[in-house]
Amino acid sequence: EVQLVESGGGLVKPGGSLRLSCAASGFTFSSYSMNWVRQAPGKGLEWVSSISSSSDYIYYADSVKGRFTISRDNAKNSLYLQMNSLRVEDTAVYYCARGSGYGGYDYVDYWGQGTLVTVSS
Amino acid sequence: QSVLTQPPSASGTPGQRVTISCSGSSSNIGSNYVYWYQQLPGTAPKLLMYRNNQRPSGVPDRFSGSKSGTSASLAISGLRSEDEADYYCAAWDDSLSGWVFGGGTKLTVL
Repeated sequence: EVQLVESGGGLVKPGGSLRLSCAASGFTFSSYSMNWVRQAPGKGLEWVSSISSSSDYIYYADSVKGRFTISRDNAKNSLYLQMNSLRVEDTAVYYCARGSGYGGYDYVDYWGQGTLVTVSS
Repeated sequence: QSVLTQPPSASGTPGQRVTISCSGSSSNIGSNYVYWYQQLPGTAPKLLMYRNNQRPSGVPDRFSGSKSGTSASLAISGLRSEDEADYYCAAWDDSLSGWVFGGGTKLTVL
């Protein structure tokens, strides 16, 4: 069974930093692309970033480009999102999501339960 | 403002057929597959339809998808109370080099 467990969320001040982690199990992590997708309170889904299975291809939404960095450690079956220069509008539940293939833009087929990031002074 | 456009709400009575539309452009729906996700209240989204009209294992055949040009739609027949959820369409956008989602449609079963 595919399991994705996010951690690292919390309350941070505007301009601050936070690092999210996602622990994957139940599948061969190194063979799949991974994604971060967020959902602001009461709002819809917004794609944040994607990374291919071997980290060769990385994509970011314009809203986070230059501030967020996606990375993965295939030896640890883990996905990360380093978030810097956080803004109030970054407040959201952040979902770790598996891509359906190994490339950089495979569709999401499994989602974690999410971790809440709140940016507020 | 979402790149893909969905109606904010839809409703139907048990047993009815409901359709949810998703409108995009040539850079997303017009040139790539469409995907649909179901988000039940208080839970994470779940893949409901992939590559326009393919159902993942476990998704009832009451759910069907279609695409024509720069628009797509999700149909739910034999509506049931457990179908009450938010539904999102998604597609890869070649111009943005990223995934785009619709704003979501809240389905109410009356």
